[in-house]
Amino acid sequence: GESVGLHLPTLSVQEGDNSIINCAYSNSASDYFIWYKQESGKGPQFIIDIRSNMDKRQGQRVTVLLNKTVKHLSLQIAATQPGDSAVYFCAENDSGAGSYQLTFGKGTKLSVIP
Amino acid sequence: DVKVTQSSRYLVKRTGEKVFLECVQDMDHENMFWYRQDPGLGLRLIYFSYDVKMKEKGDIPEGYSVSREKKERFSLILESASTNQTSMYLCASRVQGAVSNQPQHFGDGTRLSIL
Repeated sequence: GESVGLHLPTLSVQEGDNSIINCAYSNSASDYFIWYKQESGKGPQFIIDIRSNMDKRQGQRVTVLLNKTVKHLSLQIAATQPGDSAVYFCAENDSGAGSYQLTFGKGTKLSVIP
Repeated sequence: DVKVTQSSRYLVKRTGEKVFLECVQDMDHENMFWYRQDPGLGLRLIYFSYDVKMKEKGDIPEGYSVSREKKERFSLILESASTNQTSMYLCASRVQGAVSNQPQHFGDGTRLSIL
């Protein structure tokens, strides 16, 4: 619950503005990436995924950008709402390694200012 | 929608007890996972299962075991609970995509306290 958010980078955004949450990954062989949202007291919720043959994918109010050159992933949330307040973290997988284990980032706490 | 249900939201047990955490998914997913989540450490994989009766160690299996007798149910067992196993435990499931990778879907977690 609340303890998930301790010691995490925090992003504060005004309601209605766009949010950009960043994630650097380490394995250049990773070819599948996921963004999760975790609200206080709940489990991680799948938001959007992207495969390495793409550099951009859009969902409802969210866009994920993938830059394989610099091993960087970002999640853009349009018109941020109070309900978007949560911890967001990325996850990566190297399908070629023959495993479906995910490597998770530590997360970023998004706080939306009403 | 995928539904992953963990039997308890909060659990308090004593040192030395044998503890069972249960997880059920209703989407006929082949793969299931158990994680623990601790502040500053993120999610760490304890055990996972590719299918019924199969199990694989994750990154931190010591002190834990698992059981997968039915496809929909994956149990995590703390053989002799210790205080350092106080944590948030998360179960996840995933369809085994024939062609492409697929996301894991999580339950809401069990917050376990060992006294």
